[in-house]
Amino acid sequence: GAVVSQHPSWVICKSGTSVKIECRSLDFQATTMFWYRQFPKQSLMLMATSNEGSKATYEQGVEKDKFLINHASLTLSTLTVTSAHPEDSSFYICSARDIAGGPVPFGPGTRLTVL
Amino acid sequence: SQQGEEDPQALSIQEGENATMNCSYKTSINNLQWYRQNSGRGLVHLILIRSNEREKHSGRLRVTLDTSKKSSSLLITASRAADTASYFCATVPFNNDMRFGAGTRLTVKP
Repeated sequence: GAVVSQHPSWVICKSGTSVKIECRSLDFQATTMFWYRQFPKQSLMLMATSNEGSKATYEQGVEKDKFLINHASLTLSTLTVTSAHPEDSSFYICSARDIAGGPVPFGPGTRLTVL
Repeated sequence: SQQGEEDPQALSIQEGENATMNCSYKTSINNLQWYRQNSGRGLVHLILIRSNEREKHSGRLRVTLDTSKKSSSLLITASRAADTASYFCATVPFNNDMRFGAGTRLTVKP
């Protein structure tokens, strides 16, 4: 079945640094990828929808200049958290829409801790 | 923003009992999916039900969908301690972005 990978699985960084998270579709082409954020004991919140070759669409309240999304190929989307602060500490999960449709595979998530 | 609400927010049962979780949503959907998440881990897809379906089964799982009421339920029969996890419904509208409910934290006591 369709598999999505994320890298890194966890990252700890100092406040003010930037962190890049990669999301890859391993055995299918994903024209659209989705980025979610999940705070402890809460549900997943959609941050942005990323379309290959075009600008990402951000949800209301998500700062596009802080969360940079690049979807340069049909198998890779990246999320860069710029000038990270402790309040950005969260679990970031991506998913990718398979052209064939059906269940949307999710990546295993990246746990970001900003000190 | 989240699409829907789930209830209960938390559910604690004994092993062997059935667990029922409900999900309500607001907009028209293409399909609805249920996911499971163990603490601090990724999502595991459980079942997908399309808007023209009313019920689906998968092993010990039974999902119903009532589009007139904009609600769905997930039933886990003969629960096991290993079923302890958070369960989320996710709605997929016709523009295809997926949004999650608040989730139900299920605890199955051995």
